[in-house]
Amino acid sequence: DAGVTQSPTHLIKTRGQQVTLRCSPKSGHDTVSWYQQALGQGPQFIFQYYEEEERQRGNFPDRFSGHQFPNYSSELNVNALLLGDSALYLCASSWGHEQYFGPGTRLTVT
Amino acid sequence: GENVEQHPSTLSVQEGDSAVIKCTYSDSASNYFPWYKQELGKGPQLIIDIRSNVGEKKDQRIAVTLNKTAKHFSLHITETQPEDSAVYFCAASYNTDKLIFGTGTRLQVFP
Repeated sequence: DAGVTQSPTHLIKTRGQQVTLRCSPKSGHDTVSWYQQALGQGPQFIFQYYEEEERQRGNFPDRFSGHQFPNYSSELNVNALLLGDSALYLCASSWGHEQYFGPGTRLTVT
Repeated sequence: GENVEQHPSTLSVQEGDSAVIKCTYSDSASNYFPWYKQELGKGPQLIIDIRSNVGEKKDQRIAVTLNKTAKHFSLHITETQPEDSAVYFCAASYNTDKLIFGTGTRLQVFP
């Protein structure tokens, strides 16, 4: 079992650009959640996808959007990037309570 | 709003000693409390969790206790080893909803 995988590992973007991050869940998991982790802080919930629909959303602007595919994989899209969007973006998959995290994508906005 | 407070922010112990990290949650509806270990450059790793119908859970050197009345839960690590050094996060949620994380505790275990 490969566990949760995320791509790319690192990404550097310029202010105003758009970015797409990808996540493949652990085998057997049907729910994907995305979190943003700023340096030195705990992860902050962005949104959760289940059955290809956004089930729950945190306190993030509409610039943050997502998608879940029929195979349960997911994408996180961020438009009009700001310097403050620089962070580690974590994907977690679950089936039930336990959420298992991937290694994250480190996004740097310059 | 929903909030999880975590203490201490840093903890240094000698190898073989015990370490205790404490968290307090605000949402009384929370019924699931996981603990994660995050090593440098990696994603959080689930190490133990507890549900609201249980007061204590143990897994080898790691134990978690929950006091629902006080809305407190704690992580206990016994016989600490250098490889236990990492940042530990507590979290709280209601059922399968979003996890609300604490601010993290940097644990250093000195040989």
